[in-house]
Amino acid sequence: GAGVSQSPSNKVTEKGKDVELRCDPISGHTALYWYRQRLGQGLEFLIYFQGNSAPDKSGLPSDRFSAERTGESVSTLTIQRTQQEDSAVYLCASRRGRMDTEAFFGQGTRLTVV
Amino acid sequence: DAKTTQPPSMDCAEGRAANLPCNHSTISGNEYVYWYRQIHSQGPQYIIHGLKNNETNEMASLIITEDRKSSTLILPHATLRDTAVYYCIVRVADSNYQLIWGAGTKLIIKP
Repeated sequence: GAGVSQSPSNKVTEKGKDVELRCDPISGHTALYWYRQRLGQGLEFLIYFQGNSAPDKSGLPSDRFSAERTGESVSTLTIQRTQQEDSAVYLCASRRGRMDTEAFFGQGTRLTVV
Repeated sequence: DAKTTQPPSMDCAEGRAANLPCNHSTISGNEYVYWYRQIHSQGPQYIIHGLKNNETNEMASLIITEDRKSSTLILPHATLRDTAVYYCIVRVADSNYQLIWGAGTKLIIKP
């Protein structure tokens, strides 16, 4: 596709359930980021993938959060045993590479934990 | 913590120039200043970035002070569609080019 695609666009889940969020980056983009945005706040960095290098997981808030990416394709963000404080918009962005280029964002997945 | 300081909100009349300030007094010599905006319910959109020199593109102009401790994003002829939250971000100078986001400025364009 032409842009970064995220699915689902909205997800409502019960507390304690696991959820999986998907990101399809722009084709050929080697860098991929996941961010979390709580209502009315700025973006919080979660994790970064660059090609086949080990991901930077420094932003993951707890061991309930994990993410995978196979090569330079789709990435999934998994949240286990969801809590109400996990409710937020989860944004994915991709960038062409290590060069000084802009990041393109998807529309996000709005997660609501009830 | 975010490395930039922005006013929480600003108003601007439609058709006028919108000037959004940003302070980044602790910026390092090899760190870039990026501007993104986020229209309601959408993902952030890249606007412009710069290192030392002023920059201009089809969307905006970026004016960076000589000491690089502050910058101003200029939307030359604001329209109602420019209503959004504008984020000024300093890029962390390491291999992952992580962007650290503050709360941004809510810009409201009034007719």
